[in-house]
Amino acid sequence: DTGVSQDPRHKITKRGQNVTFRCDPISEHNRLYWYRQTLGQGPEFLTYFQNEAQLEKSRLLSDRFSAERPKGSFSTLEIQRTEQGDSAMYLCASSFDNGLAGLGMPYEQYFGPGTRLTVT
Amino acid sequence: ELKVEQNPLFLSMQEGKNYTIYCNYSTTSDRLYWYRQDPGKSLESLFVLLSNGAVKQEGRLMASLDTKARLSTLHITAAVHDLSATYFCAVDGQHQPDDKIIFGKGTRLHILP
Repeated sequence: DTGVSQDPRHKITKRGQNVTFRCDPISEHNRLYWYRQTLGQGPEFLTYFQNEAQLEKSRLLSDRFSAERPKGSFSTLEIQRTEQGDSAMYLCASSFDNGLAGLGMPYEQYFGPGTRLTVT
Repeated sequence: ELKVEQNPLFLSMQEGKNYTIYCNYSTTSDRLYWYRQDPGKSLESLFVLLSNGAVKQEGRLMASLDTKARLSTLHITAAVHDLSATYFCAVDGQHQPDDKIIFGKGTRLHILP
């Protein structure tokens, strides 16, 4: 399967614990995005990487959240001291930017299956 | 701040009927995306619209973009039950200092047999 994969698919944790999610993008994609989706809402952008560089972070991303993409391939999203409000689906997406995005070319994002986090 | 509004948020319709979902956005952008999401599943890309007047069609779905009106539409022709899903539009906040791509809240479409 050459699509975007995420692990784990489901995570139940107690409030105050730390959790880490992994995303493996499509292999030739240089951009990787993290989103959070709560029930009945659209995905909310959290952050994105171009290769290993984290280029943008949303104001939604509190200090308890950190993301890495150390070798420009897979990425991890860690949430420290989880709170009940962190319960959501965490989606990863990847795309290929050939340098023409600034010229109006699309960078279509392909989404993974998501990690559903439940904080009790 | 870029805002994206979809309407309706819920739509129940009979098979064979036509309907349109609307997506309005608040600031200048010339890239708009439509996605489909089935319950408990991830998002599937449907259309990428890049310029004013762009129209794309796939099967019974047709999407269009009017950048001057800041409006995109997703038109469903002769709906079938398999099209039941939640449909999201997303707008590229190219000139926003913070958020990259902003999604609407989605339109939950239920097609009755």
